[in-house]
Amino acid sequence: KNEVEQSPQNLTAQEGEFITINCSYSVGISALHWLQQHPGGGIVSLFMLSSGKKKHGRLIATINIQEKHSSLHITASHPRDSAVYICAVNLIQGAQKLVFGQGTRLTINP
Amino acid sequence: DAGVIQSPRHEVTEMGQEVTLRCKPISGHNSLFWYRQTMMRGLELLIYFNNNVPIDDSGMPEDRFSAKMPNASFSTLKIQPSEPRDSAVYFCASSFGWANTEAFFGQGTRLTVV
Repeated sequence: KNEVEQSPQNLTAQEGEFITINCSYSVGISALHWLQQHPGGGIVSLFMLSSGKKKHGRLIATINIQEKHSSLHITASHPRDSAVYICAVNLIQGAQKLVFGQGTRLTINP
Repeated sequence: DAGVIQSPRHEVTEMGQEVTLRCKPISGHNSLFWYRQTMMRGLELLIYFNNNVPIDDSGMPEDRFSAKMPNASFSTLKIQPSEPRDSAVYFCASSFGWANTEAFFGQGTRLTVV
């Protein structure tokens, strides 16, 4: 079983819909990251959080440490949000190392 | 800053050849990471450096892989000899600080070994 599990693996939605991507982990972590990878391949860091909630524009990330779960929400989704979203965690042991989920491929249709 | 710069962007080589991937981290960052991404395994950490010193190379698949960081502004990942199963996208990332810091990724090098 992977230490970091994401769901769903694939998600297709219509423009304007509210999107939720989930990440569950089974290990002790010191921080959790959400990354975005566009079809061109580049990876961009969206959020790093260790508690609570963060918001940037239409993106919101939450984490529940007790439940070992994080969610990434996208409000008013747009076709340009189409990308692979990757959850990654810093382990408590070896905190510099990132362990990655398999990613969620999001497609927003106009 | 131009961000993390990797070269080449694409590399096609024949099995058995030596391949060298290059990375220039963001100026001032003191941690550098090499990752590999494949369809089957997703993103995996190969090795990381802190202050130019290799800290953890447990992700390096085998002795055919080696990485160096001769100074704060340059790192290489070498595969010798290359094999078709090494085909993947290799990412370099850098960050400032020891732990729990935001990582900045390069655009990646797509390696194809035929």
